[in-house]
Amino acid sequence: DARVTQTPRDKVTEMGQEVTMRCQPILGHNTVFWYRQTMMQGLELLAYFRNRAPLDDSGMPKDRFSAEMPDATLATLKIQPSEPRDSAVYFCASGLMAGPNTGELFFGEGSRLTVL
Amino acid sequence: EDQVTQSPEALRLQEGESSSLNCSYTVSGLRGLFWYRQDPGKGPEFLFTLYSAGEEKEKERLKATLTKKESFLHITAPKPEDSATYLCAARLRGYQKVTFGTGTKLQVIP
Repeated sequence: DARVTQTPRDKVTEMGQEVTMRCQPILGHNTVFWYRQTMMQGLELLAYFRNRAPLDDSGMPKDRFSAEMPDATLATLKIQPSEPRDSAVYFCASGLMAGPNTGELFFGEGSRLTVL
Repeated sequence: EDQVTQSPEALRLQEGESSSLNCSYTVSGLRGLFWYRQDPGKGPEFLFTLYSAGEEKEKERLKATLTKKESFLHITAPKPEDSATYLCAARLRGYQKVTFGTGTKLQVIP
């Protein structure tokens, strides 16, 4: 049963610490997304990759956030330094964006981040 | 700017009371309108994709429809297990970006 795997599921850290979240997309999917979900803003797109190349990271604060995809089985989202306003649930999703009738996304369970 | 707006924010129904959720979009060149279900503590789960105005999709008690400006998720005779947050999302033609609305939180009371 193919699924997107995210780690950690929960992370509590102190302001100023580095946080790294990891995602293993579904094998064969060519596009990987990072979203952040809060009660106020809903699901916000932070960044996404196609065939491991970053296409758009305009949704995330560049001074503290970075997203990479070192290989086809791993995507990372790093926050350094973390701030309390970064507290949210971070979702990774993957999909096959090829051809006219595609676009369904498969989401991981999310990483709940609390910055004190 | 591409926008996806959902209404209402929350909806409380009695079991068996049918209703509809609305998703309006201002994406030019729509390449797909998606509906997802999200349970507490879980990631969104895909329900439907609609590609062109007039298209309809059904799954159990759910039916999704699409016009040129909006989509509806119709829930017929809902059950308590249909309680969840329903999200719609839109994909612009020529891009991989998928923009989500803020969701409708549905509660079905036995």
